[in-house]
Amino acid sequence: QVQLQESGPGLVKPSETLSLTCTVSGGSIISYYWSWIRQPPGKGLDWIGYISYTGSTNYNPSLRSRVTMSVDTSKNQFSLNLSSVTAADTAVYYCARHETSNWDSFFDYWGQGTLVTVSS
Amino acid sequence: DIVMTQSPDSLAMSLGERATIHCKSSQSVLYSSNNKNFLAWFQQKPGQPPKLLIYWASTRESGVPDRFSGSGSGTDFTLTISSLQAEDVAVYYCHQYYSTPHTFGQGTKLEIK
Repeated sequence: QVQLQESGPGLVKPSETLSLTCTVSGGSIISYYWSWIRQPPGKGLDWIGYISYTGSTNYNPSLRSRVTMSVDTSKNQFSLNLSSVTAADTAVYYCARHETSNWDSFFDYWGQGTLVTVSS
Repeated sequence: DIVMTQSPDSLAMSLGERATIHCKSSQSVLYSSNNKNFLAWFQQKPGQPPKLLIYWASTRESGVPDRFSGSGSGTDFTLTISSLQAEDVAVYYCHQYYSTPHTFGQGTKLEIK
């Protein structure tokens, strides 16, 4: 059974960089696309972007200037960096797997999510 | 961006009743070459990640009870729960994966009356 687990600081100061890692277990990161999705408290789901196991990326234009994603196939991990954060970036951050080796596929596995609060 | 609009925003039904949630996309999510609608439905309970219920607009994910069904094509889609159970209380989201950025509906909160 594939499992995803987000990890990283739960508190980030304004203007700093939010960094999260998603560790994949029970399956290989290879041959799939992987996305980050966030959910502000009490609100809906926002797609941040995806990365393929080869490192190909696509970011939501609303965040593109601040987002960087990377992948480490040797560790079965992928990561998210979001720079210059503000209180509006406070959210539960999820990592998720695309069901196939195509970016245009649905999310079949999700991590439990990690709450990141932006506050001084 | 493809805007996904769900209706209603909230819904209160009695146990055993049929619940229907609608999702409309601002442009078609039907890919003509394979005749598939790039539309999924998720269920989210408090403190949990979204759970995949339906994909390709009408294919039920393995393990999802058959009281959940999806229908529609092009720009108009429906999630139906044929006989509401207490454990179905949740927020439901539609999701289009036809184009980037992937987008979600705003969510429909389903409660028991």
